[in-house]
Amino acid sequence: ILNVEQSPQSLHVQEGDSTNFTCSFPSSNFYALHWYRWETAKSPEALFVMTLNGDEKKKGRISATLNTKEGYSYLYIKGSQPEDSATYLCALVLETSYDKVIFGPGTSLSVIP
Amino acid sequence: DTAVSQTPKYLVTQMGNDKSIKCEQNLGHDTMYWYKQDSKKFLKIMFSYNNKELIINETVPNRFSPKSPDKAHLNLHINSLELGDSAVYFCASKAGTASYNEQFFGPGTRLTVL
Repeated sequence: ILNVEQSPQSLHVQEGDSTNFTCSFPSSNFYALHWYRWETAKSPEALFVMTLNGDEKKKGRISATLNTKEGYSYLYIKGSQPEDSATYLCALVLETSYDKVIFGPGTSLSVIP
Repeated sequence: DTAVSQTPKYLVTQMGNDKSIKCEQNLGHDTMYWYKQDSKKFLKIMFSYNNKELIINETVPNRFSPKSPDKAHLNLHINSLELGDSAVYFCASKAGTASYNEQFFGPGTRLTVL
């Protein structure tokens, strides 16, 4: 059974704090990794798609890195704001199954004003 | 305009009934998906269609039958509903078949089977 894991499961930070969380995945057969942001009562929205080892992506205060050799990706949020409160999902795409995306369980972030 | 829409948003029904959930995307995408959000909040893929053809069919009971009348629509029909079918179902679409293309999700349909 292929597992995509995320840690921590949930996180509470104060407004203005920077934070990061981890997505771990099997390194063999890697093709791409997606990060999604999922606000309560809304749909998941794509943040980043990463394909190459060493990739770094940035969108505003949010950035992500990728290490395909050791099988992990970090998502960083600088200066967290209450509107960053959401569940952050990573999703793995395998080389052998391009259309299938395997989602992790998510990290739930709450930013306290 | 909503990019990926689902109807209904909420569906409450009795065990044993047959029901359908509709999904439409106006993005011109070629690939569409159905996901089930399980009790632990995991998103699990059920089906994937590309240009009306079935690409992925995970181990889903055959009471679930997707239908794609055209590439902008992927409907989900469920026969003989069971209590365990209660969940939130999400439709999604993406452009082409490249795995690096992001998926766009619908708002979800919350199905409750009584």
